[in-house]
Amino acid sequence: GESVGLHLPTLSVQEGDNSIINCAYSNSASDYFIWYKQESGKGPQFIIDIRSNMDKRQGQRVTVLLNKTVKHLSLQIAATQPGDSAVYFCAEMGSGGSNYKLTFGKGTLLTVNP
Amino acid sequence: SAVISQKPSRDICQRGTSLTIQCQVDSQVTMMFWYRQQPGQSLTLIATANQGSEATYESGFVIDKFPISRPNLTFSTLTVSNMSPEDSSIYLCSGDLIGEQFFGPGTRLTVL
Repeated sequence: GESVGLHLPTLSVQEGDNSIINCAYSNSASDYFIWYKQESGKGPQFIIDIRSNMDKRQGQRVTVLLNKTVKHLSLQIAATQPGDSAVYFCAEMGSGGSNYKLTFGKGTLLTVNP
Repeated sequence: SAVISQKPSRDICQRGTSLTIQCQVDSQVTMMFWYRQQPGQSLTLIATANQGSEATYESGFVIDKFPISRPNLTFSTLTVSNMSPEDSSIYLCSGDLIGEQFFGPGTRLTVL
């Protein structure tokens, strides 16, 4: 079946350090992946995405890496700040047609210590 | 981007009653979705709200329990019917705008 999961449920880092959040997916047919940030009491907020024909994509302070061989996705946050504290979800979208449905991973709680 | 609002933001309801949650998008979006999120857990897709036709439900969710309306490209409602304490959760709507999904803030429902 299709599933998206995370290796680490919690991650605690010091302010200024780099953070790496990991995600494993099982549907090899997925062709689009997204990282979301969810702060307490709010809906998920888009951070960065990557398509299956890429293995790396960079944004502002964030980088997403995709390893299709082992079906692994990671989110790297550079110089982590207290405002980065949140739950981070990876999500996967199936391939083909007009399938816009997202399957979410379990989430990782990132805590940034000042 | 799209800004999505939901009403109510939270509610406490008695078992056996029904609650309708409203979702308003400030832009016309092609797709709208409804999700459920148990506290501290991930999001589970309930259904795709189709404009002008019946919603498409995911496995484990049925129309009698979660009737959905979508009269136009900017508005949708989700009703949680005949509620039980197991329905206590956060319900979120989202809209797809040019391939990116934006989420509302969620409606926190507690059923006593």
